[in-house]
Amino acid sequence: NAGVMQNPRHLVRRRGQEARLRCSPMKGHSHVYWYRQLPEEGLKFMVYLQKENIIDESGMPKERFSAEFPKEGPSILRIQQVVRGDSAAYFCASSPPSLSGIISYEQYFGPGTRLTVT
Amino acid sequence: GENVEQHPSTLSVQEGDSAVIKCTYSDSASNYFPWYKQELGKRPQLIIDIRSNVGEKKDQRIAVTLNKTAKHFSLHITETQPEDSAVYFCAASKPPPGGGADGLTFGKGTHLIIQP
Repeated sequence: NAGVMQNPRHLVRRRGQEARLRCSPMKGHSHVYWYRQLPEEGLKFMVYLQKENIIDESGMPKERFSAEFPKEGPSILRIQQVVRGDSAAYFCASSPPSLSGIISYEQYFGPGTRLTVT
Repeated sequence: GENVEQHPSTLSVQEGDSAVIKCTYSDSASNYFPWYKQELGKRPQLIIDIRSNVGEKKDQRIAVTLNKTAKHFSLHITETQPEDSAVYFCAASKPPPGGGADGLTFGKGTHLIIQP
């Protein structure tokens, strides 16, 4: 049973370019979360998505950042016009759907994408 | 929004001794409290969690306690081993309107060092 997959694992972009990070949740999971981790810091929640819906984007910067989770394919975190401050590890996590009203809280993390902006 | 404080930031213990990491949270609506272990350059791994209807949970050498009244929870590791060395993060979340589990609010992490 494959875990959460993320690609690329490492991404280097020049200032002003676009970065696209992809996340495939665990099989059977329908909830995806994106987090950012700066060096020597904890993880900060960015956005929570279900298929074709953004549930909570309260942690997402208002400009340049967007996320989607289409009906088919992986979830995408897109950063336009990257700046040096965007350099970080971006993790996605997934959790299973609620069944019969029982919420599954556990979130399982992917290996992360380490973005470096030069 | 939720705020999670974690202490200490660094903890060094002798191999075989116990380690305790403490967290406090601010939002009384939070009802799910996981702990993650992260080794250098690796993904956070869920090691144990507790929900607000339970006061204590144990899994082999790891235990978590929750005090909802005081809004704090702790991780206890007994008989520590070198492979326990890592950064440990506590987190909290509450049910969102859309169902499922809300985004996690993390503490800043504790760097646990096991001295041989």
